[in-house]
Amino acid sequence: DAGVTQSPTHLIKTRGQQVTLRCSPKSGHDTVSWYQQALGQGPQFIFQYYEEEERQRGNFPDRFSGHQFPNYSSELNVNALLLGDSALYLCASRARIRGATDTQYFGPGTRLTVL
Amino acid sequence: GENVEQHPSTLSVQEGDSAVIKCTYSDSASNYFPWYKQELGKRPQLIIDIRSNVGEKKDQRIAVTLNKTAKHFSLHITETQPEDSAVYFCAARIIQGAQKLVFGQGTRLTINP
Repeated sequence: DAGVTQSPTHLIKTRGQQVTLRCSPKSGHDTVSWYQQALGQGPQFIFQYYEEEERQRGNFPDRFSGHQFPNYSSELNVNALLLGDSALYLCASRARIRGATDTQYFGPGTRLTVL
Repeated sequence: GENVEQHPSTLSVQEGDSAVIKCTYSDSASNYFPWYKQELGKRPQLIIDIRSNVGEKKDQRIAVTLNKTAKHFSLHITETQPEDSAVYFCAARIIQGAQKLVFGQGTRLTINP
């Protein structure tokens, strides 16, 4: 039973560039949430996807966008990168079906460094 | 607003002693409270969770208590071991909309041998 996977593991970009991060949810999960974790801080909710639509967004600008594919995998896109976007980006998945647990499982994260 | 406060930010205890981490939340409609352990460079790992219809839950050396009236929940680790050293995060699930998790700021727990 595969857990949540993310790619790439590490990424270095320069200011102004664009980046795409990828997430595959745990087997049986249909809902993907993205979180940003700055150094020394708790994860901050970016947005959540299910049924291929963005369902809720946290306090992040429109430079952050996403997508969910029919196989439930998801991408996070960040445009016009700023130094402050440097962080660990975590993907978490859960199942929305009736009777499923509330547990969200996190992927290993993508460490983004913006120079 | 949606907010989770976590204390202390750092905690150092002797091996074998107990550790307690406390969190308060602002949204009275929150109904699910997980605790995650995050080791350096690793993903957050769920260690225990509690739902709002339960006051206490225990799993071996780890227990969580919830006081809905005070909007307060705590993590208790007994008989601490060196491998318990990590950063611990509490979270509260906001049930409006997509049921996102709001995390506390984290507690760096160090177990001294």
